[in-house]
Amino acid sequence: KQEVTQIPAALSVPEGENLVLNCSFTDSAIYNLQWFRQDPGKGLTSLLLIQSSQREQTSGRLNASLDKSSGRSTLYIAASQPGDSATYLCAVRRDGNKLVFGAGTILRVKS
Amino acid sequence: NAGVTQTPKFQVLKTGQSMTLQCAQDMNHEYMSWYRQDPGMGLRLIHYSVGAGITDQGEVPNGYNVSRSTTEDFPLRLLSAAPSQTSVYFCASSYSGGANEKLFFGSGTQLSVL
Repeated sequence: KQEVTQIPAALSVPEGENLVLNCSFTDSAIYNLQWFRQDPGKGLTSLLLIQSSQREQTSGRLNASLDKSSGRSTLYIAASQPGDSATYLCAVRRDGNKLVFGAGTILRVKS
Repeated sequence: NAGVTQTPKFQVLKTGQSMTLQCAQDMNHEYMSWYRQDPGMGLRLIHYSVGAGITDQGEVPNGYNVSRSTTEDFPLRLLSAAPSQTSVYFCASSYSGGANEKLFFGSGTQLSVL
């Protein structure tokens, strides 16, 4: 059974700092991995999707990497801002239409 | 741009009551799904549908029913609510459910069962 773990569970950093969020998964047979952002009381917004054949994806200040063989992905946020404060979730798609989510990392960027 | 709309946003039920969580999308998406989010556990798939008239079970389907009579709507029914169903419920959709399609989420329904 695919399990997805995110470390740390919570992170507080000062504004301007570069930071890394970690995601690990137990089964390397995945189609893709996605990073989502969730704001309080809101739904999830897809940030980046990395296909199994790719190593990384970038969008603005965000960069996500994927190492299938080791079952790991990282989300790098450059020059963090208070507006980046949210919960970040990773999810892997293994088969069919099913995503397996991690529990998320709660990020707080202090001004 | 309505996207995925869920109603109600909040609901309190007593054990044994029934209710329907509504989900509607206006993007002509074939694939729709329901997730529940519990503290420390991430989101788990309850049921999903790849088109009108077609539904299938996800990871945690017990206690929930779904039907898909139109492309736009995918309601989730709790027939006899239990405290274990206290959770935040999210509806999500994508164009056809393809592996590399992004999912669009509604804003969620927070359900408490007393």
